[in-house]
Amino acid sequence: GAGVSQSPRYKVAKRGQDVALRCDPISGHVSLFWYQQALGQGPEFLTYFQNEAQLDKSGLPSDRFFAERPEGSVSTLKIQRTQQEDSAVYLCASSLVYDRNYGYTFGSGTRLTVV
Amino acid sequence: TQLLEQSPQFLSIQEGENLTVYCNSSSVFSSLQWYRQEPGEGPVLLVTVVTGGEVKKLKRLTFQFGDARKDSSLHITAAQPGDTGLYLCAGEKEYGNKLVFGAGTILRVKS
Repeated sequence: GAGVSQSPRYKVAKRGQDVALRCDPISGHVSLFWYQQALGQGPEFLTYFQNEAQLDKSGLPSDRFFAERPEGSVSTLKIQRTQQEDSAVYLCASSLVYDRNYGYTFGSGTRLTVV
Repeated sequence: TQLLEQSPQFLSIQEGENLTVYCNSSSVFSSLQWYRQEPGEGPVLLVTVVTGGEVKKLKRLTFQFGDARKDSSLHITAAQPGDTGLYLCAGEKEYGNKLVFGAGTILRVKS
């Protein structure tokens, strides 16, 4: 596709429910990042893939968070037993071959609300 | 603790006024990127500054990277209502690696 596509756009989950958030990066993009953006804050790094390899998961806040990219394209961020503090916008970003002058292309995000 | 401090947090100005947004850190970055984010959308890259002391211009926007590569500023001349949005600075510690974002500056330009 022309851009990074994320689905669903909005998700309301009851506390304790598991959720799965999907990211379709631009075709052929090698690098893929997940960020969490709380209300009124800047995005915070969660995890990074290069192709199917998860090279950095140091930003995942707890073991309830899990991300995968099994075939090096689509990625899924899974949150188990959601808590209210998980409410945020989850952003996915990708790049072909990283060039800092072009940065990353971000998706529009998934807004997760845990009630 | 925010590694990158942005100020001001919120700015409301009249069309035609000038403004400056600051991004400060005690850490050195290999580059500093500025993004603009509109409600319901992801951040969009405006510019990347790499060299200490570098100045880049993008129409009415001027970006500067501090000599020590710890701070940056964004200056907008003659602001327009279309400039309204959330401005984010993001530091890159290592090339091609994760970005560290500031909390952002919400700019509102009134006509």
